[in-house]
Amino acid sequence: DAGVTQSPTHLIKTRGQHVTLRCSPISGHKSVSWYQQVLGQGPQFIFQYYEKEERGRGNFPDRFSARQFPNYSSELNVNALLLGDSALYLCASSASDRPRNTEAFFGQGTRLTVV
Amino acid sequence: AQKVTQAQTEISVVEKEDVTLDCVYETRDTTYYLFWYKQPPSGELVFLIRRNSFDEQNEISGRYSWNFQKSTSSFNFTITASQVVDSAVYFCALSEASGTGNQFYFGTGTSLTVIP
Repeated sequence: DAGVTQSPTHLIKTRGQHVTLRCSPISGHKSVSWYQQVLGQGPQFIFQYYEKEERGRGNFPDRFSARQFPNYSSELNVNALLLGDSALYLCASSASDRPRNTEAFFGQGTRLTVV
Repeated sequence: AQKVTQAQTEISVVEKEDVTLDCVYETRDTTYYLFWYKQPPSGELVFLIRRNSFDEQNEISGRYSWNFQKSTSSFNFTITASQVVDSAVYFCALSEASGTGNQFYFGTGTSLTVIP
């Protein structure tokens, strides 16, 4: 079975541009969460979607947005890129919207560099 | 306030030594979940363990063991007889039952280097 897949794996963008990152969860998983991991730090929560509805939002500016599709895949969009947006963006897949009975499985991430 | 603290930024050990990675957490929830993840250079976070707040039993899985102590709000991770393949960054994480969905709070990670 395929794990969590993210695309692209690497991306270089210029300040002010827009970027779209994609994530396909594990088959049967309905929850997708997005995390930003700046070099040398732990991942920071951006969004969670479950059954196509936003279930949680971290402390990120409105330049960050996301959506989930009927097949449970998800996109993370970032507008007006800043140098500080350079990071590894991780997608997490889980069967439930709560941690009670499930683990979260992470993809390999998209490494975004803003120049 | 930092919900998860991993005070050890970097640790180096010689192969076959035992090593303990510390994790201290902070929460007001009575129901919460603690996790350890391993992050190799490839970037993917690999799930190692989940503990529920109401289950303080320590756990052993092969060379890995975890010591959960609610009294000190700690969830430490020990690797016995370390191997070079254990070299990675290890993250401790917390999820609160009352919190937003399945949000994880991660520590800043401990980078473990096992020297052959």
